[in-house]
Amino acid sequence: AQKVTQAQTEISVVEKEDVTLDCVYETRDTTYYLFWYKQPPSGELVFLIRRNSFDEQNEISGRYSWNFQKSTSSFNFTITASQVVDSAVYFCALSEWSNYQLIWGAGTKLIIKP
Amino acid sequence: SAVISQKPSRDICQRGTSLTIQCQVDSQVTMMFWYRQQPGQSLTLIATANQGSEATYESGFVIDKFPISRPNLTFSTLTVSNMSPEDSSIYLCSVEASGLNTGELFFGEGSRLTVL
Repeated sequence: AQKVTQAQTEISVVEKEDVTLDCVYETRDTTYYLFWYKQPPSGELVFLIRRNSFDEQNEISGRYSWNFQKSTSSFNFTITASQVVDSAVYFCALSEWSNYQLIWGAGTKLIIKP
Repeated sequence: SAVISQKPSRDICQRGTSLTIQCQVDSQVTMMFWYRQQPGQSLTLIATANQGSEATYESGFVIDKFPISRPNLTFSTLTVSNMSPEDSSIYLCSVEASGLNTGELFFGEGSRLTVL
């Protein structure tokens, strides 16, 4: 069965620290997509990244980077030099080719202290 | 990209009443999705709304409680009927980003309902 696990319920760091949010997934499909979404206090969900199962290259976008490892079924998200504006709930999600509906993780609340 | 507007953004409702949430998209989309996010929780899909057909509901959600309309390709409504405090949640409307069924979604800002 498909499943997304975000074991970290809440993380609190001081501004400028690096922080990694973990995401572990389960799926039987060989073709699937992985996502990260950000939900700031305002409530709107913001798409951050999509990665398909055939592309294991790590991606960097500014201070954000993603490490996709099929061997461990993980898709971790790192914020470098964190800022207060990064404070939000971050969701990891999975969609399978056979059923494109998103399977959501429980979310990790990230608190960046000034 | 798609811009999604939801109304109301928040409301406080009395037990036993019903409230209709509107979702307007700035482009034509085939499928629209309604999610519920209970306080401190992740997102749960309520139903998928296709234009011209009845909505498809997920397990645990029924049409009598959450009737959905989809009169055209840019608009949908979700009604939360006979509300109870357990219905206090954020209700989110979303659409697919590319139409390629990859799961990448755009979201509205959500409608935060509090039921007293």
